[in-house]
Amino acid sequence: QKEVEQNSGPLSVPEGAIASLNCTYSDRGSQSFFWYRQYSGKSPELIMFIYSNGDKEDGRFTAQLNKASQYVSLLIRDSQPSDSATYLCAVNIEKGAGGFKTIFGAGTRLFVKA
Amino acid sequence: DVKVTQSSRYLVKRTGEKVFLECVQDMDHENMFWYRQDPGLGLRLIYFSYDVKMKEKGDIPEGYSVSREKKERFSLILESASTNQTSMYLCASNGQGVYQPQHFGDGTRLSIL
Repeated sequence: QKEVEQNSGPLSVPEGAIASLNCTYSDRGSQSFFWYRQYSGKSPELIMFIYSNGDKEDGRFTAQLNKASQYVSLLIRDSQPSDSATYLCAVNIEKGAGGFKTIFGAGTRLFVKA
Repeated sequence: DVKVTQSSRYLVKRTGEKVFLECVQDMDHENMFWYRQDPGLGLRLIYFSYDVKMKEKGDIPEGYSVSREKKERFSLILESASTNQTSMYLCASNGQGVYQPQHFGDGTRLSIL
């Protein structure tokens, strides 16, 4: 089992719809969770982070975390063609002695059709 | 805003050459990372450093080395470039603490001919 799993997609949604991206993780020592957007040929850009169970909203983006079920999701409301990109889920896991490691999922490709 | 700067966006080198990729961050971050990214394989960690002159191997260190002589600068070295090292190389940095995200540079697309 991979430590951080995402459906590779592609996920295709019509313009204006809600896009729902999911990520599951295996290590219960995971403390913080991040969503990155990566356009083709570009580097990952941080768009959301969440540390506590529940929802966190920022504009059209909502991150949801459920530690009991070990999943984190990203909702994009009113999807736009400019949202078409690969979305990477990342998890920081404590290693002890103050150290931590970051594990990235392989990413989900999102297409928003005009 | 965090700024991570990679020295080149595109680089073409020949097989057998020694290649240097440079990365500089301006946020006094302790941790710096080098990844490569290939289609269908996601981000793969090559090396990371958590302090000056400290380094640890990632998942795919073979054929690479690194240098961190100053806190702000982390260099990736391809000792003898091979065609299978053609890839997108990404540098990232973050501060101490489990709640710190990684911040990425723009990437270097390296082609080995």
